[in-house]
Formats: sequence, C-alpha cells, structure tokens
Amino acid sequence: DAKTTQPPSMDCAEGRAANLPCNHSTISGNEYVYWYRQIHSQGPQYIIHGLKNNETNEMASLIITEDRKSSTLILPHATLRDTAVYYCIVGDSGYALNFGKGTSLLVTP
Amino acid sequence: DTAVSQTPKYLVTQMGNDKSIKCEQNLGHDTMYWYKQDSKKFLKIMFSYNNKELIINETVPNRFSPKSPDKAHLNLHINSLELGDSAVYFCASSPGWVRETQYFGPGTRLLVL
Repeated sequence: DAKTTQPPSMDCAEGRAANLPCNHSTISGNEYVYWYRQIHSQGPQYIIHGLKNNETNEMASLIITEDRKSSTLILPHATLRDTAVYYCIVGDSGYALNFGKGTSLLVTP
Repeated sequence: DTAVSQTPKYLVTQMGNDKSIKCEQNLGHDTMYWYKQDSKKFLKIMFSYNNKELIINETVPNRFSPKSPDKAHLNLHINSLELGDSAVYFCASSPGWVRETQYFGPGTRLLVL
C-alpha cells in the first residue's frame, strides 16, 4: 500500500470549511483513497473514499488531484464535534487498513 | 441497535493472567478484524477473519489467539498478560473481503498491572 503524508495538526474556526490535505505520491492506479476519523476515545469512523473522481457525501467532500498524488478532505461547515484525528489511507485490496499518524483537527468556537 | 459491540469496555488485570475480549456485529458482515491502539495512539491491525477463516495474522505474539465461533463473533483471548499489552483493542467488521468500509466497535481499554 502506498504511504501517505499528512500535517500533524490543524485548526479551524467553527462554521468554516476545514480542508485537510494528504500526499500520496506513490499511489498506484488501482489504489483507493480512504478517509477515517477518530473522535477522542471512540472507534474510528469511516468518512469517505474515492479512486479518481471527486466524491461527496453527507459528511464531507473528497477532492483528488488529476495525477492522484494528493487529495483534500473538505468538511464544509466544521462544528466542534468534528474535532478528531483524521486519517488518510491508501490501498487497493487486502483486509486491513494501515493507519498512519493522521491529522489532529481542532475546531474552535 | 449497536452495530459492532465489544465486551468488556474496561479491563484491569494483573500480569500473567489470561483474559478474553468479545466482539459481536449485527451487520451481517463477512469479515471481522482486531486492531490494537497503543499509548502513542498508533492503530495497527492484528488479525482479520473472513467467513470464520483467519486471513491476516500480523506479527503478534502467539499469546494472542483469535477465535471466530460464527461470522457474527470474533473473540480475542490473551494468555500470560504482560505490561506491554496495555492498550485499547478495537474490533471492526466489513461487508466483504475486498477492502471495504470498516465499522469499528467502541474499544476495550486493557490495563495490565
């Protein structure tokens, strides 16, 4: 599975969009980009995933660059409850998710 | 209804004891997992079962033995507990064997004294 690089921490004001970047320059053609988050003391929670095209669901949007070497998770209107560690994971098959260090997002009032 | 449940939520025990953690999912999924999150918050896969068969067995001491009595359950038995086993253990499940969305349980916080 390709490795990912994320900033260790970010801040965002409540109500504003939170844009979380992820670099995955060694991604191969059949590898998906997945985003999970872990709110303090809880189990990780799936957010969104994509292969090539941008994706949107009720939680977030995922923007993948044309060369697929990086992506951005967008939380359009961050709330205090979005404070969590966000993990960008790249992979194609197999059974396990390889969690890295993630980005600790702090949403402030 | 809880999708993925784990018992117990907290477990405090002495070194050398044997303990089990239970996991149940009511999502009808075929694949279940155990992950370990250590004190530095790194989350790592330990085991994965698909249709009751062991698929992944990462470099985990053989004191850890998973058991899947049926597709809805994946238990983790730990023999001769050591201080370094203190961690949060998460169970997860997914619909199939190709990497799909995984649903995690609330975690079991194990403290070995």
